[in-house]
Amino acid sequence: EIVMTQSPATLSVSPGERATLSCRASQSVSGNLAWYQQTPGQAPRLLIYGASTRATGLPARFSGSGSGTEFTLTISSLQSEDFAVYYCQQYISWPLTFGGGTKVEF
Amino acid sequence: QVQLQESGPGLVKPSETLSLTCAVSGYSISSGFYWGWIRQPPGKGLEWIANIHHGGSTYSNPSLKSRVTISVDTSKNQFSLNLSSVTAADTAVYYCARHGENRLDFDYWGQGTLVTVSS
Repeated sequence: EIVMTQSPATLSVSPGERATLSCRASQSVSGNLAWYQQTPGQAPRLLIYGASTRATGLPARFSGSGSGTEFTLTISSLQSEDFAVYYCQQYISWPLTFGGGTKVEF
Repeated sequence: QVQLQESGPGLVKPSETLSLTCAVSGYSISSGFYWGWIRQPPGKGLEWIANIHHGGSTYSNPSLKSRVTISVDTSKNQFSLNLSSVTAADTAVYYCARHGENRLDFDYWGQGTLVTVSS
């Protein structure tokens, strides 16, 4: 099983600032990585797939990068609606696994 | 617009079987994609449970495999999850979701349903 590790667990930022979230895989997942955003009481929402491709309608302030074992989600200028928990997920092999999440808070 | 909606009991007794159904609208399950279940214990992260293709192929998380049954009913455009011998550790919000056949990220999700295991 591929273990996904996200850091930091909590990221404190102010609106308008840049947020950088990290995700590390225990072995290479190539570019088979997705990012999700979850706000309280809601289902996760797909943001990024293929490590760097934005989902339909996603604002350009969200960007994903990386390959192999190291990945980054960057939010260039945080808006109020971006304060949430973010998860990464690998899909190169079964079982599909998620990281533990990064909470972005003000 | 693809929509998924979970349904099932919100309370299950320990040692019994948890049964959930996901009704899909806006897309025919028979047309493709994989359909799956993910759960989230209160205050914790996401755990993938199992997936099924309309053709019948299935994948399950080894950590739950012996207790999981997943099935699809194309005539009703829905799929189901059974999780046997539940304990309090199975208390979670259960989500149904869709992923592609080659790209296994989950692009559509249900709203989730809380299942509590308690006597």
